[in-house]
Amino acid sequence: QSVLTQSPSASGTPGQRVTISCSGSSSNIGSNTVNWYQQLPGTAPKLLIYSNNQRPSGVPDRFSGSKSGTSASLAISGLQSEDEADYYCAAWDDSLNGYVFGTGTKVTVL
Amino acid sequence: QVQLVQSGAEVKKPGASVKVSCKASGYIFTSYDINWVRQATGQGLEWLGWMNPNSGNTGYAQKFQGRVTITRNSSISTAYMELSSLRSEDTAIYYCARGTGGSDYYHMDVWGKGTTVTVS
Repeated sequence: QSVLTQSPSASGTPGQRVTISCSGSSSNIGSNTVNWYQQLPGTAPKLLIYSNNQRPSGVPDRFSGSKSGTSASLAISGLQSEDEADYYCAAWDDSLNGYVFGTGTKVTVL
Repeated sequence: QVQLVQSGAEVKKPGASVKVSCKASGYIFTSYDINWVRQATGQGLEWLGWMNPNSGNTGYAQKFQGRVTITRNSSISTAYMELSSLRSEDTAIYYCARGTGGSDYYHMDVWGKGTTVTVS
């Protein structure tokens, strides 16, 4: 079972802002930075946000990340149809001495 | 360009082992970790383990300890993941991913396209 908990789904109309949350514990999010991965249908995951709020080259600035305590959030502003995908948070867990993923959130563009 | 190219789909019988390869190109193979992550149909991502190709050090998720082995052949910039004692629940897509950063900011920035392993 996943150590990081996400809401199963989120939705919005084009142009809206959508926020996804990720809840963890002191051994993972509380101690280490959070990453977010985007998985478009039928494709491999792609790094979207690393170190809580850093965007890799090529990722639009309408994607933003934040962290507070043992929780993190991913915000998508100006939602577009191509943003319809599964989103996973992830972090290193010091207690498990391993990398853990969130349960995943499916974003639907209405 | 930086990429990870994985081996083709596999079909195995329960109890057998499978070995999946991941060939790196476009960067210095020994400068980044290689991780293995799997995803069953309709399910989330699950981390199996990592390897530092430079030192050969490895780390495995507790769930897979004793059943998974990650190795490498640095001369051909290729990492391998072997999973033994296969059961139907191991049917999944297996991804390799390049890892970077210390444990406090570790992330996977390049992913292979995945290898489908079917246990039946």
